[in-house]
Amino acid sequence: EDKVVQSPLSLVVHEGDTVTLNCSYEVTNFRSLLWYKQEKKAPTFLFMLTSSGIEKKSGRLSSILDKKELFSILNITATQTGDSAVYLCAVITNAGKSTFGDGTTLTVKP
Amino acid sequence: GAVVSQHPSWVICKSGTSVKIECRSLDFQATTMFWYRQFPKQSLMLMATSNEGSKATYEQGVEKDKFLINHASLTLSTLTVTSAHPEDSSFYICSARSLRSPLSGELFFGEGSRLTVL
Repeated sequence: EDKVVQSPLSLVVHEGDTVTLNCSYEVTNFRSLLWYKQEKKAPTFLFMLTSSGIEKKSGRLSSILDKKELFSILNITATQTGDSAVYLCAVITNAGKSTFGDGTTLTVKP
Repeated sequence: GAVVSQHPSWVICKSGTSVKIECRSLDFQATTMFWYRQFPKQSLMLMATSNEGSKATYEQGVEKDKFLINHASLTLSTLTVTSAHPEDSSFYICSARSLRSPLSGELFFGEGSRLTVL
C-alpha cells in the first residue's frame, strides 16, 4: 500500500523564523511529488518535483527531492503570518494515482 | 493558470436525499478528474478516479452505489451522493489533470464543496 508521511504534524513559529517540513514516501512506480498549501478551501499548488537533487524555488519557499532516501523537504524562510496554513505533500504514481500525507499545520505568530 | 470550478460550494440537505456536486475545468480539458473527501483536520482521501467516457475507478472502501461519478465530457465530472446520511457530511474536493500535461502529475483543485446532511 502506498504511504506518504509528513512531519511534524503541527508547528508553531514566530514571524521571521525559518521552517523545514518533511515528507517521506513509500510508493510503487513513483512519478512525481507535489507540495500544496491549503488555507480555508482547496489546496493551492506550490511545487512539483520529479528529479532528485534539483531545488525548486519560489520566493521564500524552496523544495528538494531525494529519490534515493525517498523524501522531500519544503523550506520556508523569513516566515510571515500569511504562511499559516496546512501544507500537504502528495505523491503521484505512473498509473496517475495520488496519495496525500496527513499534512503539516503551520502557525506563524506575529 | 488552470482553473477548476466546483459547485455548489456549500450544501445542506435532509437525510435520504441525493446531492450532486459538479467539477468543471474552465480553461483546459481534463483527461482525468479525481474526487477526494476531507474530514476536519485530516488530509485528502482519494475516493475515485474519473476518466472521460469510461467508468470511474473507486478506491477500496468507497461504495460505488453511494457515490455516483459521471464524467460526461473533458471539462465536467459530477459526484452524486445518493441517499445521503449525516455520516456523509464532509468536505468534498475535486482535482483535474490537464490533457496537455497528462504525464506530469500536476493536479488543479476545485474550491471544494462542504456537504452537511441533517
